[in-house]
Amino acid sequence: SAVISQKPSRDICQRGTSLTIQCQVDSQVTMMFWYRQQPGQSLTLIATANQGSEATYESGFVIDKFPISRPNLTFSTLTVSNMSPEDSSIYLCSVVGESGNQPQHFGDGTRLSIL
Amino acid sequence: QQPVQSPQAVILREGEDAVINCSSSKALYSVHWYRQKHGEAPVFLMILLKGGEQKGHEKISASFNEKKQQSSLYLTASQLSYSGTYFCGSYGGATNKLIFGTGTLLAVQP
Repeated sequence: SAVISQKPSRDICQRGTSLTIQCQVDSQVTMMFWYRQQPGQSLTLIATANQGSEATYESGFVIDKFPISRPNLTFSTLTVSNMSPEDSSIYLCSVVGESGNQPQHFGDGTRLSIL
Repeated sequence: QQPVQSPQAVILREGEDAVINCSSSKALYSVHWYRQKHGEAPVFLMILLKGGEQKGHEKISASFNEKKQQSSLYLTASQLSYSGTYFCGSYGGATNKLIFGTGTLLAVQP
């Protein structure tokens, strides 16, 4: 399976600032996703990162708050903008090799705390 | 709509069996199962496709009833390594995305 490198692994940020999370895969993948997991909760899909076009956002998530880039088939970034304490969470990228109905493989996640 | 899992949590002794259920209000194209250990990323366990096929690996197996929009995960003769949170995922097909269930915390004790 693909090896996924997600950076940073954790960060503590001040409210009102922005942080960009990177997700690098060691092979080309068809689909990349970004999830949020709040403490003790399930994973919530933020958006599907589309290569060469705008990401597809889920209800409750907007591009101004969570801009996503995917310049090629192995790399994506998620920015958490104008952060508030409510954004404290774990952010995970995941990849699928071919169609969506294949196993998803996850990065180790970014643990984000906002002061 | 997020699939609902039951039970929310279960505590077992080593060697005991457990069943985790996943129920969706929407039609399911397929069901995924993942296990997440504390502080780690979720790890893929299996995918079940339409047709009621039961899949398994060693002592962990699962079934999928597409008519009832339900899936169940069966853990037999549980081991300490089975501890973690189990998530089902509903795959809707056309949208190419996975919606994770509410999760079930499983703790296996010696």
